[in-house]
Amino acid sequence: AQKITQTQPGMFVQEKEAVTLDCTYDTSDPSYGLFWYKQPSSGEMIFLIYQGSYDQQNATEGRYSLNFQKARKSANLVISASQLGDSAMYFCAMRENFGNEKLTFGTGTRLTIIP
Amino acid sequence: GAGVSQSPSNKVTEKGKDVELRCDPISGHTALYWYRQRLGQGLEFLIYFQGNSAPDKSGLPSDRFSAERTGESVSTLTIQRTQQEDSAVYLCASSLAPSANTDTQYFGPGTRLTVL
Repeated sequence: AQKITQTQPGMFVQEKEAVTLDCTYDTSDPSYGLFWYKQPSSGEMIFLIYQGSYDQQNATEGRYSLNFQKARKSANLVISASQLGDSAMYFCAMRENFGNEKLTFGTGTRLTIIP
Repeated sequence: GAGVSQSPSNKVTEKGKDVELRCDPISGHTALYWYRQRLGQGLEFLIYFQGNSAPDKSGLPSDRFSAERTGESVSTLTIQRTQQEDSAVYLCASSLAPSANTDTQYFGPGTRLTVL
């Protein structure tokens, strides 16, 4: 089974609208971390936001917020007031069992912001 | 401060040749990771170094792949007898404190490897 599932291969969103990128995960480990990265066409991976499995509140970083629903095992990224510069690939990733440091990535969602 | 750097940025090689990819982590970061990203796909973990501990090599796809790291500095990923399926972007990341819950991996720009 896939550990990280991103079901939206591509999304088109009008500039200034909010967008939600879906991510579901599969783990039996009670201790894990969830990450979102942005990969523009230039190729670098840019860290956006982190959510720990024991965090009581949803993570927020500027225009980025994470809709963390633990019982559903989902960690959707919400981008508010989208901008043209938000056009990129977005990857959800998980690190299980702190001390086992590798990240497992989903296949990504290509987001295109339309002016 | 300086981020993770990788060299070369692009490498074209012929099938059967050996290649060496280099990664300079962020200064002070004790952990270093290599990932591979095939075209249109997510990242696959290859290998992880932490201080003087034995590296976690569980992601290396074959014995043609190996990596070294000198202390807490530069790492090199070596692919011997390259095959066309090795064509991918190889990304290096480093992190400050991998035992911390909030530890974040910061990525370099990658090396795009093309095997002809």
